[in-house]
Amino acid sequence: GDSVTQMEGPVTLSEEAFLTINCTYTATGYPSLFWYVQYPGEGLQLLLKATKADDKGSNKGFEATYRKETTSFHLEKGSVQVSDSAVYFCALRKRAAGNKLTFGGGTRVLVKP
Amino acid sequence: NAGVTQTPKFQVLKTGQSMTLQCAQDMNHNSMYWYRQDPGMGLRLIYYSASEGTTDKGEVPNGYNVSRLNKREFSLRLESAAPSQTSVYFCASSEVPGNTEAFFGQGTRLTVV
Repeated sequence: GDSVTQMEGPVTLSEEAFLTINCTYTATGYPSLFWYVQYPGEGLQLLLKATKADDKGSNKGFEATYRKETTSFHLEKGSVQVSDSAVYFCALRKRAAGNKLTFGGGTRVLVKP
Repeated sequence: NAGVTQTPKFQVLKTGQSMTLQCAQDMNHNSMYWYRQDPGMGLRLIYYSASEGTTDKGEVPNGYNVSRLNKREFSLRLESAAPSQTSVYFCASSEVPGNTEAFFGQGTRLTVV
C-alpha cells in the first residue's frame, strides 16, 4: 500500500539556521504531495502542496519540490524563526480510494532563540 | 467561518464506556475523514466517507463505528472504550479531486482509564 516516510525528530535548531526535513513516499500512480504543520495545541493546517512531478510548493518561506525520480518531497526553509517550532507532516493523496491522505510519522522541530 | 468543528475537545472515559465524537463541516465538502494521532506514529486513518451515504474502513477501524449523518456531519463512535484507544482524534474534510487540501478540526483528546 501507499506509505510516507519522514525523518524522525526532534530537530533542534537555532534561529536563522537552515532547516531540511526529508520525506520519501511509496505509491502507485501519481499522487499529490503535501506538507502540513501542527502548532502546539492545534489541528493540522496545510503548509504547501505539489500536484505533479517537478512542481515546487512554497509558503511562508518554506519550499518543497516534487521529485518523482527519487520519490521525495523534502521540506526546506532558509532561515527559521522561533515561531516555526511545530510538528511537520508529509502526506500524499490520490484521486482513487476516497481521496484519503496518507501521512508520515511527523517531525517535531524546535527553534531556539 | 467555522470550517471543521469537533466536539468535545477533551474527554475521559472508563474502560467499557461508550461515546460518540461529533464532527461537522460548513464548507459543503463531499469527503470526510477520522484520524487518530499517536506519538511517533503520525496520523492514521480510522474511517472515511468519500461522499454522503458511503463509509469505508481505513487503516485502523477496529473498535470504532461511524455514521455519515448528512453531508455536513460525520460521527465516530466507540462502543466499548479500551485504554488502547487513548489518543487525539482529528476529523477532516475535503473536496474532490485528490489535489485539493484537507481541512482539519482542532482535535479531541480522549483518555481511557
